[in-house]
Amino acid sequence: DAGVTQSPTHLIKTRGQQVTLRCSPISGHKSVSWYQQVLGQGPQFIFQYYEKEERGRGNFPDRFSARQFPNYSSELNVNALLLGDSALYLCASSLRGQSDTQYFGPGTRLTVL
Amino acid sequence: AQSVAQPEDQVNVAEGNPLTVKCTYSVSGNPYLFWYVQYPNRGLQFLLKYITGDNLVKGSYGFEAEFNKSQTSFHLKKPSALVSDSALYFCAVRSTGFQKLVFGTGTRLLVSP
Repeated sequence: DAGVTQSPTHLIKTRGQQVTLRCSPISGHKSVSWYQQVLGQGPQFIFQYYEKEERGRGNFPDRFSARQFPNYSSELNVNALLLGDSALYLCASSLRGQSDTQYFGPGTRLTVL
Repeated sequence: AQSVAQPEDQVNVAEGNPLTVKCTYSVSGNPYLFWYVQYPNRGLQFLLKYITGDNLVKGSYGFEAEFNKSQTSFHLKKPSALVSDSALYFCAVRSTGFQKLVFGTGTRLLVSP
């Protein structure tokens, strides 16, 4: 079975630009979460979506937004990029409930110059 | 608020020896605890979780973890380390209400031949 997939693998942007990252969950999983992992740190929670509705938001500015589509795939958008947005962005999917395990994709490495 | 602490930045162990990676947690209510492993330039791989029940949890690749409620600890263990176990290990706790994972800062495990 295919795991969580993310695209693109890498991308380079300049300050002020906008970026869209994509995630496809494991088949049958209805919940998608996004995390930011800055080099040398643990992942930080950005958003959770379940059944196309936002169920949780971390401590990130409004420049960060996301959505989930009817097929449960998801996009993370970041506007007005800052140097500090350079990080590995991880997507995780799970079936639904609170005790469900989150399975992570390989991540998208974003570099902002 | 939920939090986890991984007191060791790095753990060094010789191949064939037992290994322990430490984690302590702080939660209100019942803890949902997880261990993930991250190899270079990769996403997080799920190892094991504690939700309820037996305090000794067995997971993937021969890893296990011991839940200790009185000491609020959830240490990762393996009886015999392999060089291929060398990676970055993260302990995480699930936030109540939705599926936000709060991660520790990570512990780098280095297994020498």
